[in-house]
Amino acid sequence: EVQLVESGGGLVKPGESLRLSCAASGFIFRSFTMNWVRQAPGKGLEWVSSLSSSSTSINYADSVRGRFTISRDNAKDSLYLQMNSLRAEDMAVYYCARSQYGDYHFDSWGQGTLVTVSS
Amino acid sequence: SSELTQDPAVSVALGQTVRITCQGDSLRSYSASWYQQKPGQAPVLVIYGKNNRPAGIPDRFSGSSSGNTASLTITGAQAEDEADYYCNSRDNSGSHLVVFGGGTELTVL
Repeated sequence: EVQLVESGGGLVKPGESLRLSCAASGFIFRSFTMNWVRQAPGKGLEWVSSLSSSSTSINYADSVRGRFTISRDNAKDSLYLQMNSLRAEDMAVYYCARSQYGDYHFDSWGQGTLVTVSS
Repeated sequence: SSELTQDPAVSVALGQTVRITCQGDSLRSYSASWYQQKPGQAPVLVIYGKNNRPAGIPDRFSGSSSGNTASLTITGAQAEDEADYYCNSRDNSGSHLVVFGGGTELTVL
């Protein structure tokens, strides 16, 4: 069974940093593109970032480019999102999600981790 | 950037058929995928590609596309289908890789 488990969310002040993790199991992690998608409270889904299986293709939404860094450790079956210079508008549930390279649908999702940005 | 537009809310009588639509320029070039999200839960993929259902998704869910509009059809809606539905596709604007629609809240009456 495919499992994606996010962690690392919490309460931070504007301007601070946070690192999210996503632990994968039940599939060959190194073969899949991995993604972060977020959802602000009461709002819709917003794609944040994607990272190909060998980390050669990296993409970011305009809203986070230059502040967030996506990475992965295929030896640990883990995906990460380093979030710097956090803003109030970054407050959301962050989901990691799996996709195939060249496909833009997300076939498995984690349960999400909540990031709260407030002074 | 490219956008995908969905009706904010749609309702359907129990057992009837409902179509949820998604409009955007990127859909002329790329297939839409559809996700169901119930309150407090993660999204679940229900349709991808031309009209593909992941394992475990009932066959009352189907997808179609014409021009710049993609549609998710639920034939014989059930009470458990009440949820938010989101479309997404590849973005063709060059600024984003992926774009999501704003979501449609489906009420089953």
